[in-house]
Order: sequence, then structure tokens, then C-alpha cells
Amino acid sequence: DTAVSQTPKYLVTQMGNDKSIKCEQNLGHDTMYWYKQDSKKFLKIMFSYNNKELIINETVPNRFSPKSPDKAHLNLHINSLELGDSAVYFCASSASLAGAQFFGPGTRLTVL
Amino acid sequence: GENVEQHPSTLSVQEGDSAVIKCTYSDSASNYFPWYKQELGKRPQLIIDIRSNVGEKKDQRIAVTLNKTAKHFSLHITETQPEDSAVYFCAARGGSNYKLTFGKGTLLTVNP
Repeated sequence: DTAVSQTPKYLVTQMGNDKSIKCEQNLGHDTMYWYKQDSKKFLKIMFSYNNKELIINETVPNRFSPKSPDKAHLNLHINSLELGDSAVYFCASSASLAGAQFFGPGTRLTVL
Repeated sequence: GENVEQHPSTLSVQEGDSAVIKCTYSDSASNYFPWYKQELGKRPQLIIDIRSNVGEKKDQRIAVTLNKTAKHFSLHITETQPEDSAVYFCAARGGSNYKLTFGKGTLLTVNP
């Protein structure tokens, strides 16, 4: 199936831990994104990479570090997790910076 | 930066009726306006989009209109069906930074 995929689907962890979320797209797209959707369903961009280059870096704590090993992958590492990091994190991709964005299935992160 | 306002926050219609969701944006340089549908626990799915050089676009029961002068755009769903029930998000992308800014969503309920 051609798609944007994420792992894991659910992540439950304790405060202070470090965790990673992985994203892969097999659509041949050049641009990938991380979004955060909070409990009120508000969708907000965190990061965007185009051809492995960081393009958008919103006001996100530096505990969040994205990494793009190649155009098909964009991972998100989070250090020292806090209660407020609990949310659904969506990866997305687009053919180009100006292209339509397609979302992955999301990772529900719960910090206890 | 861009600010997108979306109304109403909730909308309840009878099956077969039409539904209209409205959004306004602040950045006159914005040039791309997608609409996403998100069912409970699922990913946002792109349902229709419009670029700034077009005033209206239709896809079966869904249409989007754009008024660049007034900086507002609307989603129209005709002959609504229960499976149209979901949260709908509008978004606007700026001309220079490629960042997609989302509205806060509209929960549409179609009653059989």
C-alpha cells in the first residue's frame, strides 16, 4: 500500500523518559512534517523537512528533535517527557513544499 | 503570522440537508486552502483543496468557494449523509513560509 505510516500507534510512558516516534512514506514525496494535535483537537505544525533539510521549526521546546535520515523517513525524538507532551502526533508528507499534505495514522502519546 | 478562524464549532443537520462551514484568514499572501475530514480516532483526510487563482471547486457533493478580497473560504456539503459526520478542518498556507495553519475544527453531526 502506498501510504504514510507511523510507529508506534500508542505510546505510554513515564515523565522524564526519552522516546522516539518513526514515520515513513512510500509516496516518493520530498517534504515531510510533524504535527501535534492536542486534547482540544487543535492541529499545529511542529517541523517540516524538504529533501532532508529543515524548513519549518515552530516554537517547540528543544526537547523535541526531528531527524530525517533520508527523504522517505522523518523521526521525532522527545527527551525528558512532560505531562503536557501528551497528545496525538501526526506525520504528513507532500510531493513538494507547495503540494497537498497527506497524513499518517497518528501516534497517541500518553505521559504519566 | 497567519491566523485562521473557523465557524461554527459544531453543526448539526438532518440527513439530506446541506452543511456550510466558513473560514477566514489573515495573511493576504496565503495561496492554498485545503479542507480535511477527521473521523474519531483517525487521521485527517484531505477532501478538497483550492488555490488562490480559482474561485470555486466542486467534487461530487462537496464544493469550496474562495473570496480573496474578503479573505474567506467556505466548504459546502450537499445531500448530507450520516457518514459525513466528522470533524472538518480548514487550513491556509502562507505564500512565503509554506506553513499550513489550521482552523480549530467544526464537529458536523448528520442525524438520520
